[in-house]
Amino acid sequence: EAGVTQSPTHLIKTRGQQATLRCSPISGHTSVYWYQQALGLGLQFLLWYDEGEERNRGNFPPRFSGRQFPNYSSELNVNALELEDSALYLCASSLAGTLADTQYFGPGTRLTVL
Amino acid sequence: AQSVTQLDSQVPVFEEAPVELRCNYSSSVSVYLFWYVQYPNQGLQLLLKYLSGSTLVESINGFEAEFNKSQTSFHLRKPSVHISDTAEYFCAVSESGYSSASKIIFGSGTRLSIRP
Repeated sequence: EAGVTQSPTHLIKTRGQQATLRCSPISGHTSVYWYQQALGLGLQFLLWYDEGEERNRGNFPPRFSGRQFPNYSSELNVNALELEDSALYLCASSLAGTLADTQYFGPGTRLTVL
Repeated sequence: AQSVTQLDSQVPVFEEAPVELRCNYSSSVSVYLFWYVQYPNQGLQLLLKYLSGSTLVESINGFEAEFNKSQTSFHLRKPSVHISDTAEYFCAVSESGYSSASKIIFGSGTRLSIRP
């Protein structure tokens, strides 16, 4: 069974540009989560999608947005990139959005903002 | 609000030696606790979790963690480590009863390096 996949592996952008990151969940999983792993800051929750709807978002500005498609894959968009947006962005999926359900993580997209 | 502190950013140990990775949390309500592992160039994997019941939880690869409510700790231990255990380990906490996974708060991670 294929795991969570993310693309691209690496992404280099300049300040002010927009970045789009993609995630495909494990087949059968309907919940997708996005996290930011910045150096020295641990993992910060960004967004949670389930059944195509945004269910919750973390403490990030509105320029971080996303969506979930009918096939449950998801996009994370970051507008007006800033230097501090440089981080590893991790996507996870689960069968349902409850803590009893294990989240399976993808390998991440490393975003570098110059 | 909850918080979680991993006291050691790096822990070097020799192969076959025991190891303990420390995790303390702060919360005014009941909690769920998790340990995740991130192997080099990979995403995170759930290692073990405490939701309720027995305070000692075990993983399939020999790690165990004990929920200590009085000390607000959830330290991760293994009696004998292997080279393959080299990874970064993240402790996480959330309020029990919440259905939203967004309530999980992660620690800053402990890098475990195994010396032959």
